[in-house]
Amino acid sequence: NAGVMQNPRHLVRRRGQEARLRCSPMKGHSHVYWYRQLPEEGLKFMVYLQKENIIDESGMPKERFSAEFPKEGPSILRIQQVVRGDSAAYFCASSPGINYEQYFGPGTRLTVT
Amino acid sequence: GESVGLHLPTLSVQEGDNSIINCAYSNSASDYFIWYKQESGKGPQFIIDIRSNMDKRQGQRVTVLLNKTVKHLSLQIAATQPGDSAVYFCAESPGGSYIPTFGRGTSLIVHP
Repeated sequence: NAGVMQNPRHLVRRRGQEARLRCSPMKGHSHVYWYRQLPEEGLKFMVYLQKENIIDESGMPKERFSAEFPKEGPSILRIQQVVRGDSAAYFCASSPGINYEQYFGPGTRLTVT
Repeated sequence: GESVGLHLPTLSVQEGDNSIINCAYSNSASDYFIWYKQESGKGPQFIIDIRSNMDKRQGQRVTVLLNKTVKHLSLQIAATQPGDSAVYFCAESPGGSYIPTFGRGTSLIVHP
């Protein structure tokens, strides 16, 4: 049973470009969570999705950031017009239900130059 | 505001010693606590959790202690090994919330 998969593992974008981060949850998991981690800090919650629905996006900036989890395929975190402050590690986690342990992926390290 | 924080940013121990990592929380509504281990370049890995109706829980080589009176959480690692070297985060969730709030982390360095 493969764990949570994220790709790419490393992503370099110039200011103003778009970044697309993908997350494939563990088999049987329909709940996906995205977190952002700055160097030497803990993870900050961004958004919680179930298949085709955004449940909680209270931690996600209102502008430039969007997330989806389609019926088929991975969850996507999309950052438009990236700025240097977007440089961080972005982690995805999945769980089989709302009150279950979350399993984390290896993360995508985004660098904006 | 409410926060979760760790007392020490770095803890160095000798292989074979016991390690204790501490965490303070301030949200009195928190009723679920989790410890995660994060190795360099990897995502957080669940270690152990505890609910507020307990004050101690043991796993394999790890013990979590919860003191609700002073809002303090600790992770004890017995016979620490070099493979335990990582950053350890405590996280808490208030009742009814599915989203853990993470502290900054403590870096555990185990010397052989």
